[in-house]
Amino acid sequence: DSGVTQTPKHLITATGQRVTLRCSPRSGDLSVYWYQQSLDQGLQFLIQYYNGEERAKGNILERFSAQQFPDLHSELNLSSLELGDSALYFCASSVVLGDSPKYFGPGTRLTVL
Amino acid sequence: GQQVMQIPQYQHVQEGEDFTTYCNSSTTLSNIQWYKQRPGGHPVFLIQLVKSGEVKKQKRLTFQFGEAKKNSSLHITATQTTDVGTYFCAGPNSGYALNFGKGTSLLVTP
Repeated sequence: DSGVTQTPKHLITATGQRVTLRCSPRSGDLSVYWYQQSLDQGLQFLIQYYNGEERAKGNILERFSAQQFPDLHSELNLSSLELGDSALYFCASSVVLGDSPKYFGPGTRLTVL
Repeated sequence: GQQVMQIPQYQHVQEGEDFTTYCNSSTTLSNIQWYKQRPGGHPVFLIQLVKSGEVKKQKRLTFQFGEAKKNSSLHITATQTTDVGTYFCAGPNSGYALNFGKGTSLLVTP
């Protein structure tokens, strides 16, 4: 158990819909990263937040957005879903800004039908 | 941008055989990290290498960082069925995120 929690574990929805994935970092960790894992693309970095502020952006689509709240939990919002958005979404956390994501959550498996 | 390539993509070994996966970067890396992901699981951090030519060992696992800091390897001696999973290397991206290689999936048969 990494100490990072993610909900829900599984999510099945239809094309065009919007979903929200939630992540709680390890206690004391200020930095949260979101990654998408699909079979063909591997682990792709989406976005990073540190203490409530966006710090880095990766291959995140405009249909996707995220935020980190004052209690440090983070949400990833995916809208206008397409079949290709089906993937595992991982959240990871680290203590300080300069530390890479070491602790990954169990992931949310999103299936878009 | 910086790309991290891993080979081989798959490796199937008999229990007790050795296993090596290689990681190559298109640019010099300040550090490299290795993760293991069991089937159905999440990536688990194994180690970070920082210095040129660095070699670190964790029991049967040996990690190396190349002299030019553009390549790395993970060697497992005498594999066990518990070593099954996908091994990823990752290098720093913009900010403090990581670029992951596509991983090497290891299958160990008893």
